[in-house]
Amino acid sequence: QSVLTQPPSVSGAPGQRVTISCTGSSSNIGAGYDVHWYQKLPGTAPKLLMYANSNRPSGVPDRFSGSKSGTSASLAISGLQAEDEADYYCQSYDSSLSYVFGTGTKVTVL
Amino acid sequence: QVQLQESGPGLVKPSQTLSLTCTVSGGSISSADYYWNWIRQPPGKGLEYIGFINYLGSTFSIPSLRSRVIISVDTSKNQFSLRLRSVTAADTAVYYCARVRLIAPSDYVDFWGQGTLVTVSS
Repeated sequence: QSVLTQPPSVSGAPGQRVTISCTGSSSNIGAGYDVHWYQKLPGTAPKLLMYANSNRPSGVPDRFSGSKSGTSASLAISGLQAEDEADYYCQSYDSSLSYVFGTGTKVTVL
Repeated sequence: QVQLQESGPGLVKPSQTLSLTCTVSGGSISSADYYWNWIRQPPGKGLEYIGFINYLGSTFSIPSLRSRVIISVDTSKNQFSLRLRSVTAADTAVYYCARVRLIAPSDYVDFWGQGTLVTVSS
């Protein structure tokens, strides 16, 4: 089972802002390891959406933003669009388990 | 642009060995800047990290799979492989190979294979 906990689902209307939390512990996020986020569309491989807590790879819209504090991190999507409907996973490193993924969050655009 | 491609049987019988190979193109597997990884996603579930290997052959796998997993690398072919012994239906999943960029404390997956579904069934 994952050591990073995310809400199973979040939803919002087009144009709204939604946030996804990623809660860890003192052996991963709280130990100073960075958090990264991936977007996964059905039937496709995950795509890097945010790295090192708050950095967007080239090509990722600035509607996506990330932050980290203490033992948690969050991903925010502003100006929600239909194309943002996907599963989102956080990832970090755990000192006892190596790389770990979050439980995943399904974003639904109403 | 680096590309990773999984290959191997899509159907494995219970108690047998699952074998997958990941071919890396557009970049060398012989770099100290990366780990080469296996990650899986069972149907309807989230991503599960399996383990990694570096170009020197040093490996890690998660404790729950360690007794059944072998990860190997063939630098001459720019490939790395996963073998999972004694499979059960619980090992049915889409298996991804992936490259982790090493920038401690900020290692992350920068390239993924497209994934391959492996079904364990008689």
